[in-house]
Amino acid sequence: AQSVTQLGSHVSVSEGALVLLRCNYSSSVPPYLFWYVQYPNQGLQLLLKYTSAATLVKGINGFEAEFKKSETSFHLTKPSAHMSDAAEYFCAVSDQAGNQFYFGTGTSLTVIP
Amino acid sequence: DAGITQSPRHKVTETGTPVTLRCHQTENHRYMYWYRQDPGHGLRLIHYSYGVKDTDKGEVSDGYSVSRSKTEDFLLTLESATSSQTSVYFCAIRLRDKNTEAFFGQGTRLTVV
Repeated sequence: AQSVTQLGSHVSVSEGALVLLRCNYSSSVPPYLFWYVQYPNQGLQLLLKYTSAATLVKGINGFEAEFKKSETSFHLTKPSAHMSDAAEYFCAVSDQAGNQFYFGTGTSLTVIP
Repeated sequence: DAGITQSPRHKVTETGTPVTLRCHQTENHRYMYWYRQDPGHGLRLIHYSYGVKDTDKGEVSDGYSVSRSKTEDFLLTLESATSSQTSVYFCAIRLRDKNTEAFFGQGTRLTVV
């Protein structure tokens, strides 16, 4: 079965600093990978997705992620954190059959003024 | 929002009582999912549906049943609610293609006392 691991359940950065949220997947074949953001008391919103078209994927709100097959990683980055980026972030993978989505345990991002 | 409505949004129920949560979509998407979200566990798949009357179990299906008699509605039933089922429940919908993202509802906060 597919799975994703998010290292670091809590990450704190200063406003204007680089944001790096880590996600590693386990799969014998390149999967379809996604990053979602969840603001308090809301549902999940798609940030970006990797579908094998390009290894560097740009998403909304200035976020991007790079797919690295050799490292089985799909880390999320943003050059400069903004206060509004404070939220919970989830990495997800789709199984090859396309039936199921598997989520990581999430990373809570705090942005310090 | 992607045309997904969850009802109710909040519910408090007593241990041992049956509870049904409803997910309604207006997008005519084939796939529908029920997840539960708990601190430290991220989102875990309970059940999913890939068409009318076609459903399958996810990783935490014990104590839950589902039904999908129409494309637009996916019901989640807790046959006899327990305190361990206190959680936030999310419905999601998705197109058929495996590289497509899932769209989420706003969630239902269920408390079993």
